[in-house]
Amino acid sequence: AQSVAQPEDQVNVAEGNPLTVKCTYSVSGNPYLFWYVQYPNRGLQFLLKYITGDNLVKGSYGFEAEFNKSQTSFHLKKPSALVSDSALYFCAVRGSSGSARQLTFGSGTQLTVLP
Amino acid sequence: NAGVTQTPKFRILKIGQSMTLQCTQDMNHNYMYWYRQDPGMGLKLIYYSVGAGITDKGEVPNGYNVSRSTTEDFPLRLELAAPSQTSVYFCASSFSNSNQPQHFGDGTRLSIL
Repeated sequence: AQSVAQPEDQVNVAEGNPLTVKCTYSVSGNPYLFWYVQYPNRGLQFLLKYITGDNLVKGSYGFEAEFNKSQTSFHLKKPSALVSDSALYFCAVRGSSGSARQLTFGSGTQLTVLP
Repeated sequence: NAGVTQTPKFRILKIGQSMTLQCTQDMNHNYMYWYRQDPGMGLKLIYYSVGAGITDKGEVPNGYNVSRSTTEDFPLRLELAAPSQTSVYFCASSFSNSNQPQHFGDGTRLSIL
């Protein structure tokens, strides 16, 4: 069965500093990887995805993520954090066949950017 | 373009009552999904549909039913509400089930007392 681990429930970072939100995954075959963000009382919003190609993926709002096949990781990064980046972030993985094609979400990481 | 619309936004039910959570999308997406979100647990897939007339179970289907009579609508039915069904429910849709992102509604917050 496929799985996603977000090892940190909470990440705090000062405004202007770089941020990293960690994600590791387990899936059969080639992974399709996604990051979503959730603001209070809202649904999830798509940030970026990795399907194939360049290991560094750029997405919305200045976020990027690096796919590392050997470490089965897909960490979310941003060079300079904003207070408005404070939100709940979810990593998700999908496999390439059968029931693995359904998205599996991590438990989420609450990012707080301190002014 | 409204995207994915869920109604109601909030609801309190008594144990044993039934209700239908409504979901509609205006993006002509074939795929639609229902998730529940519990604190610290991420999202769990309840049911999904690959097109009108076709539905299938997800990871946590017990206590729920769905139907898909049109491309736009994908209602979720709770027949006998139980306290364990207290959660936030999200509907989502996507163009396909491969590499396309899912678009989410803003959720229905349901409490069973």
